[in-house]
Amino acid sequence: ETGVTQTPRHLVMGMTNKKSLKCEQHLGHNAMYWYKQSAKKPLELMFVYSLEERVENNSVPSRFSPECPNSSHLFLHLHTLQPEDSALYLCASSHPPGGANVLTFGAGSRLTVL
Amino acid sequence: QKEVEQNSGPLSVPEGAIASLNCTYSDRGSQSFFWYRQYSGKSPELIMSIYSNGDKEDGRFTAQLNKASQYVSLLIRDSQPSDSATYLCAVYSGTYKYIFGTGTRLKVLA
Repeated sequence: ETGVTQTPRHLVMGMTNKKSLKCEQHLGHNAMYWYKQSAKKPLELMFVYSLEERVENNSVPSRFSPECPNSSHLFLHLHTLQPEDSALYLCASSHPPGGANVLTFGAGSRLTVL
Repeated sequence: QKEVEQNSGPLSVPEGAIASLNCTYSDRGSQSFFWYRQYSGKSPELIMSIYSNGDKEDGRFTAQLNKASQYVSLLIRDSQPSDSATYLCAVYSGTYKYIFGTGTRLKVLA
């Protein structure tokens, strides 16, 4: 496995379900990110972890709960979601920011909330 | 509110022509600038990065940066139908903040 791997690629859930998105990076990066991409909107940063410590929480509703057990794995736990949460959720990784560090994205998890 | 602005398009160019994509940003303290390509239903992939004023060329792609005007552009020479995608401009503004534009949709007509 190389790069950034996200599972599942597609997820359909009801508003009362609990599910999790998983991200794994094989690049030796120290920072991991969750972004939300909705139609006609710029990518929205949700959470950033650096060396397993959360360094950014961008006013995200509590129904989204991140978890970073180590520098290679990142989860996004979902519960009691709303239909407007339907979007493409992108995981990314980078070396710790130093200006020149590039974000590498996973393939994304397409979430549909019914 | 730090912003990155792009024309949403679509920008239509004939095959073989030069496609010119533009981006402006609001934060003068921005340090690094990136262009990502995103095919429909796929994730963004890095095309170019640029860190200092001037031009940077990589194959058919040239990124141009003018920090005084807060302007970044991407030129695609000899455009191919496979270049048809949405191009995202991203700006690194410090402290883990990569700010993205909404993207410009490019259509290369065969």
